[in-house]
Amino acid sequence: AQSVTQLDSQVPVFEEAPVELRCNYSSSVSVYLFWYVQYPNQGLQLLLKYLSGSTLVKGINGFEAEFNKSQTSFHLRKPSVHISDTAEYFCAVTGRRGSYIPTFGRGTSLIVHP
Amino acid sequence: NAGVTQTPKFQVLKTGQSMTLQCAQDMNHNSMYWYRQDPGMGLRLIYYSASEGTTDKGEVPNGYNVSRLNKREFSLRLESAAPSQTSVYFCASSLGTMGTEAFFGQGTRLTVV
Repeated sequence: AQSVTQLDSQVPVFEEAPVELRCNYSSSVSVYLFWYVQYPNQGLQLLLKYLSGSTLVKGINGFEAEFNKSQTSFHLRKPSVHISDTAEYFCAVTGRRGSYIPTFGRGTSLIVHP
Repeated sequence: NAGVTQTPKFQVLKTGQSMTLQCAQDMNHNSMYWYRQDPGMGLRLIYYSASEGTTDKGEVPNGYNVSRLNKREFSLRLESAAPSQTSVYFCASSLGTMGTEAFFGQGTRLTVV
């Protein structure tokens, strides 16, 4: 079984500032890691995923995330945010064996102020 | 390219009424899921279907039933709605293989009064 902890429920930031959204996971097996974004009144869509290889993963809209196995973390970063990045962000994991069911964190609301 | 389509988008039910939420995907995915989203709780898995012909309980299955009608369609039924089932419901699908992501519908906002 696996679980995901998103350490911040809300992150306010000013436009053009950098941002980091934190995610830690717990699992008895190796995992695949994902970040999804949910804009208001929409479903979730994939931002990026880590499968293997380089621990720095680049996604859409200028986001990137770094996998740290020793810290069991997968933090999401963007060097300069825009108003349009205001959304809910979810970290998720699936196991590397079995049914690959996504387990989600509770979400972090990113609020970008002008 | 429709992806995952859910109907209806909004619904208000009275306590004790029943309803079925419909979900269909056109990506030839093997696995389908139903999640509910509540403030501060993230997405919690209600039921899933790893492949056509199979369904299994998730984290919060009480009060729900599902049917995997065929490879494309996966419905969620509330037999006797309760106010605690007021939520936003999301259907999702994936190939169900290593490292594949889930694709989500737009959600159904359900209110039980």
